[in-house]
Amino acid sequence: DTAVSQTPKYLVTQMGNDKSIKCEQNLGHDTMYWYKQDSKKFLKIMFSYNNKELIINETVPNRFSPKSPDKAHLNLHINSLELGDSAVYFCASSLGTSGYNEQFFGPGTRLTVL
Amino acid sequence: KNQVEQSPQSLIILEGKNCTLQCNYTVSPFSNLRWYKQDTGRGPVSLTIMTFSENTKSNGRYTATLDADTKQSSLHITASQLSDSASYICVVSVETGANNLFFGTGTRLTVIP
Repeated sequence: DTAVSQTPKYLVTQMGNDKSIKCEQNLGHDTMYWYKQDSKKFLKIMFSYNNKELIINETVPNRFSPKSPDKAHLNLHINSLELGDSAVYFCASSLGTSGYNEQFFGPGTRLTVL
Repeated sequence: KNQVEQSPQSLIILEGKNCTLQCNYTVSPFSNLRWYKQDTGRGPVSLTIMTFSENTKSNGRYTATLDADTKQSSLHITASQLSDSASYICVVSVETGANNLFFGTGTRLTVIP
């Protein structure tokens, strides 16, 4: 299946731990994104990479560090997890950076910090 | 300030009824407006995209309208089905800049039998 996939789907961890979320797309896209969706369902962009280069880096704590080993992968590493990090994290991809291009979203990773 | 506001925040309708969701924006310079549907536990999926020159576009039972003068868009759902229960998100794009997408807060639609 051609799609955007994320692992894990659920992540429950203690405050202070470090965790990673992986994202892969096989759509041949060159641009990938990380979004955070809070409890009110508002989607907020965190990072965007185009051809492995960081192009969007919103006001996100530096505990969050994205890494794009190649165009098909964009992973998100989070250090020293805090309660407020609990949310659903979505990975997405598109062909090009134009706002005209449709973004294809992954199924999301629900992160719960205890 | 670039903003996208959606109303209502939530809506409950009976199966078979029609409904209309609203999206107002102050985004400039406008490029396009896209409606996404997000089922519970899933990522958003694009329903339709509206460009400056388009007033109406249909995708099955979904019809989107755009009034670029008043900066308003609506998504009309005809003969609702239980599977229409989801969040609907309006996303407006600008022509320039790396961060060129502005997301609405969504409307949560529940269709009941």
